[in-house]
Amino acid sequence: EAGVTQFPSHSVIEKGQTVTLRCDPISGHDNLYWYRRVMGKEIKFLLHFVKESKQDESGMPNNRFLAERTGGTYSTLKVQPAELEDSGVYFCASSHGQSRATGELFFGEGSRLTVL
Amino acid sequence: AQKITQTQPGMFVQEKEAVTLDCTYDTSDPSYGLFWYKQPSSGEMIFLIYQGSYDQQNATEGRYSLNFQKARKSANLVISASQLGDSAMYFCAPRAGNNRKLIWGLGTSLAVNP
Repeated sequence: EAGVTQFPSHSVIEKGQTVTLRCDPISGHDNLYWYRRVMGKEIKFLLHFVKESKQDESGMPNNRFLAERTGGTYSTLKVQPAELEDSGVYFCASSHGQSRATGELFFGEGSRLTVL
Repeated sequence: AQKITQTQPGMFVQEKEAVTLDCTYDTSDPSYGLFWYKQPSSGEMIFLIYQGSYDQQNATEGRYSLNFQKARKSANLVISASQLGDSAMYFCAPRAGNNRKLIWGLGTSLAVNP
């Protein structure tokens, strides 16, 4: 079974440009999460999809960030226009819709974003 | 707001020895779960072990076990018989109630020496 996959693994862009990160969750996982780790700081929650609906987007930093999950499958996270402070590693995670005992999240390897 | 403290930014352990990674948390929720994840150099977050706040016994999963002290709000990870492949970042992450949102600590970097 394929795990959570993220693309690109690393993106380097200039301030003001646009970047779109993609996450393909494990097939059948209704829950999809985006997290971000800025260097030297804790991993922070960004948002949570249940199927195609945004369940919780309280962690989205500002309106330069737009997340979508078309048809409840893969998700994209667009940053437009990118700023220097957006640099970090963006993690995607997925979990089963029906609760396993632990509600374990399966993570991708992350997309590293560098804004110059 | 929840806060997680991992007091050890870096730890060293000799291969085959045991090591304890500390984690304390601050939550007012009566029901919560605690996760530990490992992040090797490849970047992927790997689930290690889970402890429910109402679980009567400390969680164990192979070489991993939790020293869960609910009154102290601590959930230290114990790795027994360390292996070179255990070298990685380790994160403690509580989750409160039905919200599957995890709150993360800064992590502890573990290096296993041969």
